[in-house]
Amino acid sequence: SQQGEEDPQALSIQEGENATMNCSYKTSINNLQWYRQNSGRGLVHLILIRSNEREKHSGRLRVTLDTSKKSSSLLITASRAADTASYFCATVKKTTDSWGKLQFGAGTQVVVTP
Amino acid sequence: NAGVTQTPKFRVLKTGQSMTLLCAQDMNHEYMYWYRQDPGMGLRLIHYSVGEGTTAKGEVPDGYNVSRLKKQNFLLGLESAAPSQTSVYFCASSLLAGGHTGELFFGEGSRLTVL
Repeated sequence: SQQGEEDPQALSIQEGENATMNCSYKTSINNLQWYRQNSGRGLVHLILIRSNEREKHSGRLRVTLDTSKKSSSLLITASRAADTASYFCATVKKTTDSWGKLQFGAGTQVVVTP
Repeated sequence: NAGVTQTPKFRVLKTGQSMTLLCAQDMNHEYMYWYRQDPGMGLRLIHYSVGEGTTAKGEVPDGYNVSRLKKQNFLLGLESAAPSQTSVYFCASSLLAGGHTGELFFGEGSRLTVL
């Protein structure tokens, strides 16, 4: 079963607008990561936020994490046509061993029109 | 620096045929993974390896086998392909365990169709 679930499933915006997508998860996590996938390509890591962090920034990306609500959001500011892609959250459950398996959600498909 | 390279990129099989997907990474990563991606289901972990000579089952291992004879290579085998194995397969690698440092590096994918 999927640990993380993204919302919305699809998002269509115009260039210059902000895009926000959310990820909810079920169990306590070690960290949460966001990845981007362009059509027909592999996934690319965007940002990682640890369970003791609340917010992280990377360029036009802002990620928040609310462990009490078991949710995270990814905000892309001033979107560009090149941001058109699917975005996935991946969570790492807290476990007693050193191995941390990533579990991916089904993704949010973002389309940015010029 | 090629990163993670998967071969082949496309393959069509008939039910019952066998094949091997090859993943090669040139980043000296310890950890390697095979995922499958199906529409609406995100990525699911098939098998993974925490180092040369080791393999372990992920969440959907049935029908697949893997080998990691060399640190840089991770092979995924289908002994008797079934239509349910039609999917896009992604190989990934990471320097350390994903749970601690994060970043997985992905290949470009291998699209497999089983008729």
